[in-house]
Amino acid sequence: DTGVSQDPRHKITKRGQNVTFRCDPISEHNRLYWYRQTLGQGPEFLTYFQNEAQLEKSRLLSDRFSAERPKGSFSTLEIQRTEQGDSAMYLCASTRGPEAFFGQGTRLTVV
Amino acid sequence: KNEVEQSPQNLTAQEGEFITINCSYSVGISALHWLQQHPGGGIVSLFMLSSGKKKHGRLIATINIQEKHSSLHITASHPRDSAVYICAVNRGAQKLVFGQGTRLTINP
Repeated sequence: DTGVSQDPRHKITKRGQNVTFRCDPISEHNRLYWYRQTLGQGPEFLTYFQNEAQLEKSRLLSDRFSAERPKGSFSTLEIQRTEQGDSAMYLCASTRGPEAFFGQGTRLTVV
Repeated sequence: KNEVEQSPQNLTAQEGEFITINCSYSVGISALHWLQQHPGGGIVSLFMLSSGKKKHGRLIATINIQEKHSSLHITASHPRDSAVYICAVNRGAQKLVFGQGTRLTINP
C-alpha cells in the first residue's frame, strides 16, 4: 500500500455514458498527477495539480475529459460520452518532491 | 522516437539468472525512476536515481548521465520477480515520461 488510493478499481460502462474516478493522495503531498495506460504501453501524462490549481494538461485530454481537485486534497477525473478508445488504466500519483507514489489504478472498459 | 526507450520489451529467463533491463533517454532529466508493475496495475517505485548506483536487496540500478542510459539488474532472479519493469524520467514540473516497459517472466 503506497498510501494513494483510487476508486473504483474497475469500471465497465456502455459507450456514451459518463464516468468519474476518484483519487485520494497522500495527505501532505501537494502535487497530484493523472496518467493513462493502454494495454502493453507505458503510462502517459494527462494532467497535474499543485494543490487545487490545475497547472498542465496534455493534448491527450480532450474536451470530454475534466479533472478537479477542489480543496487541494482528493481529485476526480470525469470522462463524458465515453468512447471505446477510452478503455485504459487510469493511474493517479502524488508527490511532494521528485519521488512519485502511485495508486492501484482504475481500469475502465467501455463496451 | 520516444523520449524514453527500454530494451528488451520482453524477457524470459530461468530462476537464478542475472537479469539486465536497459533504459535510454534523449532529453535532459532531473531524475530517473525504475518502477515495478504487477498484474492488476498497481505501480511501485523501486529506485529514483540522479547519478551513480543504488542497491536494494537483489536489485541494482545504475545511471550514466553523460550517455543518457540506465540499467536495472536483478541478481539471483526468482519467479516472484515476474512483472513489468518501467523506466521513467522527470522532465519539468516533476511529471514523469515513461518507457514502454519490459515484461519479465522468470520460470522456476
